Amino acid sequence: KAGVTQTPRYLIKTRGQQVTLSCSPISGHRSVSWYQQTPGQGLQFLFEYFSETQRNKGNFPGRFSGRQFSNSRSEMNVSTLELGDSALYLCASSLRDREISYNEQFFGPGTRLTVL
Amino acid sequence: SQELEQSPQSLIVQEGKNLTINCTSSKTLYGLYWYKQKYGEGLIFLMMLQKGGEEKSHEKITAKLDEKKQQSSLHITASQPSHAGIYLCGAAPAGTASKLTFGTGTRLQVTL
Repeated sequence: KAGVTQTPRYLIKTRGQQVTLSCSPISGHRSVSWYQQTPGQGLQFLFEYFSETQRNKGNFPGRFSGRQFSNSRSEMNVSTLELGDSALYLCASSLRDREISYNEQFFGPGTRLTVL
Repeated sequence: SQELEQSPQSLIVQEGKNLTINCTSSKTLYGLYWYKQKYGEGLIFLMMLQKGGEEKSHEKITAKLDEKKQQSSLHITASQPSHAGIYLCGAAPAGTASKLTFGTGTRLQVTL
């Protein structure tokens, strides 16, 4: 079974631009979560999508948004990029077959975003 | 909000030695995840623990969740260079299984 895939793997943008990152979950997984990892703040939860609906949201500004498609693939968008948005963006997928279930969560390789 | 503290922050061990990494939570742990990360790469799932007193093993790695469910430990037996990396514990709060809070990580180096 293929793992979680993320595209692109590397991205360089300039301040003020916007960016879209993509995540394809493991086949059969309906929950996709996004995380930001920086040296200073560590791994922080951005949001989770389940069956095309945002279920949970972390403490990030509205410039960070996402969506999920009917095939469970998810995209994350960051508008008006700032230097501080430079980070490794990771997505994770899980079965989440029940509302509250502690399923295993599998992470993708990440997208390294550099904002100049 | 839940906070996770990992100790030690870094560890250098000689190949063949055993080691333990601890993860202490400020609140009750409902789902505790252990991951390994190579620098700049994605997280590799190791184990997930839910029940107090639960213990799981995979190859030479054993993880435990204490009875009070506020601390977990990861033990590596007979360490190998392939064990080197950053170990992260992640906690799922009650009712929000996919919103993990992570510890700051433990960097492990294994010397020959």
